Amino acid sequence: AQKITQTQPGMFVQEKEAVTLDCTYDTSDPSYGLFWYKQPSSGEMIFLIYQGSYDQQNATEGRYSLNFQKARKSANLVISASQLGDSAMYFCAMREEGSSGGYQKVTFGTGTKLQVIP
Amino acid sequence: KAGVTQTPRYLIKTRGQQVTLSCSPISGHRSVSWYQQTPGQGLQFLFEYFSETQRNKGNFPGRFSGRQFSNSRSEMNVSTLELGDSALYLCASSLGRVSYNEQFFGPGTRLTVL
Repeated sequence: AQKITQTQPGMFVQEKEAVTLDCTYDTSDPSYGLFWYKQPSSGEMIFLIYQGSYDQQNATEGRYSLNFQKARKSANLVISASQLGDSAMYFCAMREEGSSGGYQKVTFGTGTKLQVIP
Repeated sequence: KAGVTQTPRYLIKTRGQQVTLSCSPISGHRSVSWYQQTPGQGLQFLFEYFSETQRNKGNFPGRFSGRQFSNSRSEMNVSTLELGDSALYLCASSLGRVSYNEQFFGPGTRLTVL
């Protein structure tokens, strides 16, 4: 089973509008971290935001916020006031804590290509 | 603080050759992971090193190998290159091994196999 699912291969958003990128995950580990990364056409992956499984509040970083619904196992990224520079691939990722103090590799989703329209 | 650096940035090889890619993590970061990214397969995990030990390995053939040095710098090697190895190879470093340690990525090495 896929550990990270991003169901939107591509999305369009009007400049200055808000957009939500979906991410659902699958884990039985009680301790895990969820991450969102942005990958512009240049190729470099840029860390955007982190949400811990025990965090009570949704994470926010500037125009980025993470809508964390633990019971539904979803971690959607919300970008407010979209800018042309937001056009990129967006990846959701998860790192599980693992058992016995070990840790698991980071698992990435397949990504969503966001295009911001002027 | 300098970011993750990868060398070389671009590489062209022919089938059957071998290649070594290098990654220097952010100072103080002890965990280094490698990923292969292709349009068809997306981002695939290769391996992760921490304190010079391989901690996790993805589903890649034995032609793909890596190592980490005492200064946390890492190299990955691909032997007997195949056309399908053409990809962007990304290196990522993180401070440690726990679930809240975000990864910081380098610019990648774009490998083309002819």
